[in-house]
Amino acid sequence: KQEVTQIPAALSVPEGENLVLNCSFTDSAIYNLQWFRQDPGKGLTSLLLIQSSQREQTSGRLNASLDKSSGRSTLYIAASQPGDSATYLCAVRHNYGGSQGNLIFGKGTKLSVKP
Amino acid sequence: EADIYQTPRYLVIGTGKKITLECSQTMGHDKMYWYQQDPGMELHLIHYSYGVNSTEKGDLSSESTVSRIRTEHFPLTLESARPSHTSQYLCASSGRGSYNEQFFGPGTRLTVL
Repeated sequence: KQEVTQIPAALSVPEGENLVLNCSFTDSAIYNLQWFRQDPGKGLTSLLLIQSSQREQTSGRLNASLDKSSGRSTLYIAASQPGDSATYLCAVRHNYGGSQGNLIFGKGTKLSVKP
Repeated sequence: EADIYQTPRYLVIGTGKKITLECSQTMGHDKMYWYQQDPGMELHLIHYSYGVNSTEKGDLSSESTVSRIRTEHFPLTLESARPSHTSQYLCASSGRGSYNEQFFGPGTRLTVL
């Protein structure tokens, strides 16, 4: 059974710092991996999607990497801002021999960026 | 920008009432999902649909039911609400042409008294 773990559970940094959020998964047979952001009491916003054949994806100050063989992904946030404060969720979609399963979510990393 | 809508955004209701949470998307996505999320906890998939007239139960057992009569509409119904149903309910959709990238609605926060 696929399990997704995110470390750390919470992170507090001063504004301007570069930071890395970690995600690990137990089964490397994934179709893709998606990073989301969730603000308190709100829905999820898709940040980046990495296909299993890709190594990284970039969007603005965000860069996500994927090492499928080791079951790891990282989300790098450059020059953090108070507006980046949110919970960041990692989710993997399993690959069942060509057909895709549903997303399996981690518990998230709660990020707080202090001005 | 994803176009997926949920109504109501907030609902406070008494025990025993029947409720329907609405979810609609305008992207023509064939796949739709319902998740349940308690405060500070992870998302759990409770229902999903891969197309019209197709519905399946998710990983977390739920007393709710769903229907998919139209592609764009995926309502969730609780026949008799109980305090244990108090939670946030999130609807999502994904399409074939975008590597199944999943887009979420704003959520419905349900409180059953």
